[in-house]
Parts: sequence; C-alpha cells; structure tokens
Amino acid sequence: AQSVAQPEDQVNVAEGNPLTVKCTYSVSGNPYLFWYVQYPNRGLQFLLKYITGDNLVKGSYGFEAEFNKSQTSFHLKKPSALVSDSALYFCAVRAVNSGYSTLTFGKGTMLLVSP
Amino acid sequence: NAGVTQTPKFRVLKTGQSMTLLCAQDMNHEYMYWYRQDPGMGLRLIHYSVGEGTTAKGEVPDGYNVSRLKKQNFLLGLESAAPSQTSVYFCASSQQGGTGGLNEQFFGPGTRLTVL
Repeated sequence: AQSVAQPEDQVNVAEGNPLTVKCTYSVSGNPYLFWYVQYPNRGLQFLLKYITGDNLVKGSYGFEAEFNKSQTSFHLKKPSALVSDSALYFCAVRAVNSGYSTLTFGKGTMLLVSP
Repeated sequence: NAGVTQTPKFRVLKTGQSMTLLCAQDMNHEYMYWYRQDPGMGLRLIHYSVGEGTTAKGEVPDGYNVSRLKKQNFLLGLESAAPSQTSVYFCASSQQGGTGGLNEQFFGPGTRLTVL
C-alpha cells in the first residue's frame, strides 16, 4: 500500500531563513506526490505536485519541492521563510482504490516561522 | 464562485444521535471526497464519489454513509454517533482525469463535530 511519512511534527525557522519540511514515500509503481497547506481554521490548499519530469517542482507562494527517487523523498523547501508561512503542511501520495485514484496523506508537519 | 462549501460549521451531538453533513461544490467537478482530520493522524479518507449516483469506501468508512444524488452535492451521514467520531470533517472535490487519474483537490472549510 502507498504511504507517506513526515518525520517531524514541528519545524521551527526564523523569518528570512531557508526552510525544509521533510516527506518520504513508499509506493509500488510511479510515485505521484503532492503538498498541501492548511492555515488555522481553514481547509487544505494545494501547493504543488510531482507527476513526472524535472525533480525540482515549483509551486504556489514561492514553495518548491525536490523529488529524489533514490532516497524516496519529496521535501518541501522555500529559500526565505515568511511569518505568514506558519501553517500545517501535508505531504500526500496517490493511492489506487477500485481502479480510481485517491490521496493518502501524511500526518502533517507544523511549520512555525518566528519574526 | 463559492468553491466548496460545507454545512454546518459546528455541531454537538449526543451519543446515538444522527446527523447529515452537506457538501456542495460549484465547479462542476466529477469527484468528491469526505475526510476526517484528527490530531496526529493527518487526513483519512472516509468515502468518495467518482460521479453522480456513485459512492465508494475509503480508508475509514465504518459508521458513516454517503449519497451523491446530485453532481454538486455530497452528503455524509452518521446514523448513530459515537464519541470516536468526534473530529473535523472536510469535503473536497476535483476534476476527473489528470495525469495518473488525479487532479488537485479543492477543500471546503470543514465541519467541527463533537459527540458527547
């Protein structure tokens, strides 16, 4: 079965510093990977996805993610963090149920950016 | 466009009571999903639908039923609520197809349900 792991419950970073939120995956077949963000008391919002092609994927709000097949990782990155980036981040992987594609989410990583 | 809306936003039930959560989307999406979010557990798929009149079980379907009588609506029912169903429930929708059969999902704002 497909799964993703987010090894850090929380990541703390100072504003202006680079940030990384880690995700590793386990799939059979080609991995289709996603990152979503959840701001307080809101639903999830799509950030970016990796389907195929370049290992560096660019997404919304200046975020990018690096796909590494040998390490089975899909880490989310941003060169310079903002306080407004503080939120809960979810990595997700495609799962196939009864021939249809759905998403399996990780447990989430809380990102706290301090001024 | 309102996107994905959920009704109600909050609800408190007593054990054994029933209720229905309503999800509506105005993006003409084929696929709709119900998730529950619990601390430290991430989001878990309850049921989903790939079109009007269809439903399918997700990861944690027990204790829930769903219906998709109209394309724009996806209802989640709890027939006999239990304290273990205390959670935040999210509805999402997506277009059909996409690479790997999966497009990005658009989420509603959530319903916070407490079962006493």
